[in-house]
Amino acid sequence: SQQGEEDPQALSIQEGENATMNCSYKTSINNLQWYRQNSGRGLVHLILIRSNEREKHSGRLRVTLDTSKKSSSLLITASRAADTASYFCATDAWGGSQGNLIFGKGTKLSVKP
Amino acid sequence: NAGVMQNPRHLVRRRGQEARLRCSPMKGHSHVYWYRQLPEEGLKFMVYLQKENIIDESGMPKERFSAEFPKEGPSILRIQQVVRGDSAAYFCASKGGTNEKLFFGSGTQLSVL
Repeated sequence: SQQGEEDPQALSIQEGENATMNCSYKTSINNLQWYRQNSGRGLVHLILIRSNEREKHSGRLRVTLDTSKKSSSLLITASRAADTASYFCATDAWGGSQGNLIFGKGTKLSVKP
Repeated sequence: NAGVMQNPRHLVRRRGQEARLRCSPMKGHSHVYWYRQLPEEGLKFMVYLQKENIIDESGMPKERFSAEFPKEGPSILRIQQVVRGDSAAYFCASKGGTNEKLFFGSGTQLSVL
């Protein structure tokens, strides 16, 4: 079964609006990462948040982590058409080999100009 | 500074043939990971290698699949006697040292006829 599950599966918004994606996971983690994938391409790392952090910012991205609820959210503010992509959360299992990241199925974001 | 290079970009094989997928990690990276992605799915971990060693192959099928990362040259993911169910995008990622961030290649799309 998936460790990370993103929600919603698909999201369609207008340019300039904010986009919020959520991720839930099952086991204890060292950190949680968010990646973006453009169609037919590899994944690009966006941001990493450690288990002892609650919130992190990077440009227009804001990530929160609630370890008590085993959930994270990714907020993209002032979205642009270029943000259209699939977004995945990935967790490393506590005690697992580093890099054995477990990915969710992703949220497909469509930003309309 | 080239990123993670994968080739070929597309590979077509008939059932029963062998598929060889190559991955050159980023310069200075000694950790290589292989993931498989089915359409509309997240990435599934297959194997984690360091130079000349397999660290974690818990995600790799026991039969027909093998991986290596020799002292010299790229990492190779080898699939023998391919079946239609092997059709997928195969991504390689690398990282260096203790950095938890993965850098992904653009993937190899394997199609089995």
